[in-house]
Amino acid sequence: GAGVSQTPSNKVTEKGKYVELRCDPISGHTALYWYRQSLGQGPEFLIYFQGTGAADDSGLPNDRFFAVRPEGSVSTLKIQRTERGDSAVYLCASSPTHSNQPQHFGDGTRLSIL
Amino acid sequence: GESVGLHLPTLSVQEGDNSIINCAYSNSASDYFIWYKQESGKGPQFIIDIRSNMDKRQGQRVTVLLNKTVKHLSLQIAATQPGDSAVYFCAENPPVGGSEKLVFGKGTKLTVNP
Repeated sequence: GAGVSQTPSNKVTEKGKYVELRCDPISGHTALYWYRQSLGQGPEFLIYFQGTGAADDSGLPNDRFFAVRPEGSVSTLKIQRTERGDSAVYLCASSPTHSNQPQHFGDGTRLSIL
Repeated sequence: GESVGLHLPTLSVQEGDNSIINCAYSNSASDYFIWYKQESGKGPQFIIDIRSNMDKRQGQRVTVLLNKTVKHLSLQIAATQPGDSAVYFCAENPPVGGSEKLVFGKGTKLTVNP
């Protein structure tokens, strides 16, 4: 399809493990965003890329979280030494430019830390 | 529609009625606002957006109203249908360091009764 694609759709892992979550944005979209959504809450901003560079990473909760977008398209969110509090739905969005354009979301990765 | 605590505000309407979902935003300098619809297990779906230089914008069956004086946003859905049942989020883009991040409210759950 032509939408934002996120894989895996579900991920269950044990506390302390490392996880990678992948986002394929809409083709041609230069801006890419990661959000985290807990049950009953709105999405919370994590990080935003313009091309290959992280333009704003102020939402990353701590240094266990890291994201890359090496070729300006696919992005990977990486979480080290996972904790139970990291359990949430991780959403990715993309937009054509960074100038007040609608962000289009994928269906997210549901991460469960046991 | 304004979020209070951890419980989603709810709105229940009859099929065919008009729905109004309200949202209070936080930053008086925000210049871009957007409404999303989120169904269970899915990512947020773009409905309509509005820039701060406008006070009303219409789409297909939806209208967004912006009142900057009281920092209030509303979404009006005409002739509500069962397929409109979902959680609705408003979001703002606060002008912080040129970031395009969105700040979401906690959402309103709309239930449309046949």
